[in-house]
Amino acid sequence: AQTVTQSQPEMSVQEAETVTLSCTYDTSESNYYLFWYKQPPSRQMILVIRQEAYKQQNATENRFSVNFQKAAKSFSLKISDSQLGDTAMYFCAFMRANDYKLSFGAGTTVTVRA
Amino acid sequence: EPEVTQTPSHQVTQMGQEVILRCVPISNHLYFYWYRQILGQKVEFLVSFYNNEISEKSEIFDDQFSVERPDGSNFTLKIRSTKLEDSAMYFCASTTTSGSDYEQYFGPGTRLTVT
Repeated sequence: AQTVTQSQPEMSVQEAETVTLSCTYDTSESNYYLFWYKQPPSRQMILVIRQEAYKQQNATENRFSVNFQKAAKSFSLKISDSQLGDTAMYFCAFMRANDYKLSFGAGTTVTVRA
Repeated sequence: EPEVTQTPSHQVTQMGQEVILRCVPISNHLYFYWYRQILGQKVEFLVSFYNNEISEKSEIFDDQFSVERPDGSNFTLKIRSTKLEDSAMYFCASTTTSGSDYEQYFGPGTRLTVT
């Protein structure tokens, strides 16, 4: 079974500042995908960004970017220019390429302060 | 834009009762999933379903749980005799895994409260 670890239960950031969320995972697979999901108070799961393990280039989506270190099995999320609407729980998730099942970390609650 | 829908949004039931949670996946998707999230905890995989049969299930998915795709559009999760610890948010997800599209699309969830 894949293990996904998010070591920061809570993070607080000032509006317009940058925050980085950490995620590490444990797998023996060589082909897999990684995701960050956002879960606002509505509890809807919203995909923020994804990364294919075979790609060396780090994914970016507007203010969201990742630092993918495959050898270290690390997949951190950077939120730049934080906005109040970024306040949510953020989950890191791992997907094996052969069964597409998601394994989630415990989540990090991000609070953006005005 | 196509989306996964779930009904009901909130279900309250008494312990020991049967509940059926319903999901309508995106129409051209082939893989279907149920996940559970107990309040304040992480999202946990329950079961995956492909080609009209379960492809994988977790240890949580015991004999009290079953899934079905009765009519080619709906995908249901049944809990035969609910327990207090079944209270959680249940998410349905679907994916096509065609080409480069492997993203799982999540429904809005059904909040199940067992009293």
